[in-house]
Order: sequence, then structure tokens, then C-alpha cells
Amino acid sequence: GALVYQYPRRTICKSGTSMRMECQAVGFQATSVAWYRQSPQKTFELIALSTVNSAIKYEQNFTQEKFPISHPNLSFSSMTVLNAYLEDRGLYLCGARDRQGNSDYTFGSGTRLLVI
Amino acid sequence: QQKVQQSPESLIVPEGAMTSLNCTFSDSASQYFAWYRQHSGKAPKALMSIFSNGEKEEGRFTIHLNKASLHFSLHIRDSQPSDSALYLCAENTGYQNFYFGKGTSLTVIP
Repeated sequence: GALVYQYPRRTICKSGTSMRMECQAVGFQATSVAWYRQSPQKTFELIALSTVNSAIKYEQNFTQEKFPISHPNLSFSSMTVLNAYLEDRGLYLCGARDRQGNSDYTFGSGTRLLVI
Repeated sequence: QQKVQQSPESLIVPEGAMTSLNCTFSDSASQYFAWYRQHSGKAPKALMSIFSNGEKEEGRFTIHLNKASLHFSLHIRDSQPSDSALYLCAENTGYQNFYFGKGTSLTVIP
């Protein structure tokens, strides 16, 4: 079956430092990878959508300068939270699907980021 | 502004009850709609999805889409304690972005 693994599961970083999280798709080709942040206040904000062979599209409140994403092949993606601050806390979820268009995403369990 | 609005924010129902969760969306060009379920500490998982107006039933779960009223709903018949979870509705816009609502936290009391 289709599975998505994310690591680390949880991490703590000091305010102002950066943290990289990874997403691995197993059993299917991750043509599209979407990164989300789930927080108690704003639950499930789309950060960006990455499609192989296309430019990464960031949502209005998120930028490449703050959340650079790599999607080098059909099984892997990573995202870094640069210069993390308290408002960056949350559960970062990676969802992947095997084709563009209308289909379900398979999600990983997320990377929980705590900033101190 | 949240593209997908869900209501209620939380819901507590007794075991055996009919549960109704609601979702409104803003993009009339959206082509694909789905409900996801997320148990505490787990990854969200797709529950049911639909492309066109109408109803779809799978076991105790029924989803209903009305594009004219921008409304999408999930109904759970004979609710069970194992149904307790966060329910998220999602729409796939014409630009292929997949937006979720804030979720409805459902608790089914035995």
C-alpha cells in the first residue's frame, strides 16, 4: 500500500535556528507533495505544493525564503523551517499523491516542531 | 480568509446517534471534495471523496455535495466510539491546491 513517512517525529529547536524535516513516499510515486502546518489556532494551513518538473507554489503567507522545499525525485521531499520562532510551532504534515489532478493525498504522521 | 469553513467546531454525540458534519467552500470551480479523518496522534486519512453533485454512501458514512450552494456534508449513521476523531473536509481547486477546513472534533460517548 501507499505509505508516507516523516522524520523526525518531533523536534525542539532554539528560537532563531533552523530545522529540516523529511518526507518519504513508499509504494507509489509522489508526483505531487503538499506541505501543511497544523496548529491549534489555524489548523491545516497549506504551505506549498510541489509537483515534479514544475515550480513549487507557495501560499500567500508562506515564502521560499522561510520554508525552502526540495522535491528531487518521486519518493522524497524535504522542507526546512529557517529562523524558526514561536509562531512556527505546530505539526508539519507532508501529503503526497501519485498524479496531478483529483485524487486523495496520503499523509505522513507529521513532524511536530517546538520552538523554545 | 479560510477557503473551507467547517461546522461545528466540536461535537459530542451518544453512541448510536446520527452525526452530521458540515463544510462550505468558496471556489465554485473546485472539482474534487473529500473528507479526511485524523485520530489523535495519527496521520489524516482519506475517508470518502466525491467529484460531482449528489450523494455517496459507504457503510455507515454518507457524503453529500451541492455545488450550487457550495455545501459539502458528512453523515455518520449509528455513531460508534471508534468514530471519535478530528474530521477534516477538503477541496481540490482548479489550481490543484488541496485546502482543508479547520476540522470538527467528534466525540462519541459510549
